[in-house]
Amino acid sequence: AQSVTQLGSHVSVSEGALVLLRCNYSSSVPPYLFWYVQYPNQGLQLLLKYTSAATLVKGINGFEAEFKKSETSFHLTKPSAHMSDAAEYFCAVTPSGGYSTLTFGKGTMLLVSP
Amino acid sequence: NAGVTQTPKFQVLKTGQSMTLQCAQDMNHEYMSWYRQDPGMGLRLIHYSVGAGITDQGEVPNGYNVSRSTTEDFPLRLLSAAPSQTSVYFCASTRTGGTEAFFGQGTRLTVV
Repeated sequence: AQSVTQLGSHVSVSEGALVLLRCNYSSSVPPYLFWYVQYPNQGLQLLLKYTSAATLVKGINGFEAEFKKSETSFHLTKPSAHMSDAAEYFCAVTPSGGYSTLTFGKGTMLLVSP
Repeated sequence: NAGVTQTPKFQVLKTGQSMTLQCAQDMNHEYMSWYRQDPGMGLRLIHYSVGAGITDQGEVPNGYNVSRSTTEDFPLRLLSAAPSQTSVYFCASTRTGGTEAFFGQGTRLTVV
């Protein structure tokens, strides 16, 4: 069984500030982990994924995430927020070793102010 | 290469009506899934399929039926729509051994 907890349903940052979105997971087997972004009235876009290679994963739009097994975390960061980063972000988990379905967190809305 | 195509994009139903949400993919992926998205709940799995003729229930299957007669198509049926089924529905597909799910653009369903 797997679960994902995203801390904070809303996160507000100023343009140019560090973005940190938190994700903790629970999995009975080694996981694959994902971050998706959803812009208003759009579908889901994959930002980055961890599939048991490098623990620091770089994605699109300057985002990156670090897999920390000891902390069961996969937090998403970006050094400098842009207005265009305002969106909802979802962390998701699936068991490794063969694709299964995704278990999503409840999402974090990122608000970016000028 | 269209990827995952969902139709319709928007739909309004009356309580008790039935309808089918269509999902088609042209990537020859074996795995297909349906999720619903509700505010503050993230995406929750409704049904999924690991290949033609094989389906299984997810976290929130009640009120929904699925079948998978071809690799390409995975329709979701609402037999008797209820206001609680007002949601945004996403279909996704993945190839065997793949690590990424490809999502459709979603169907926004309102049941009045």
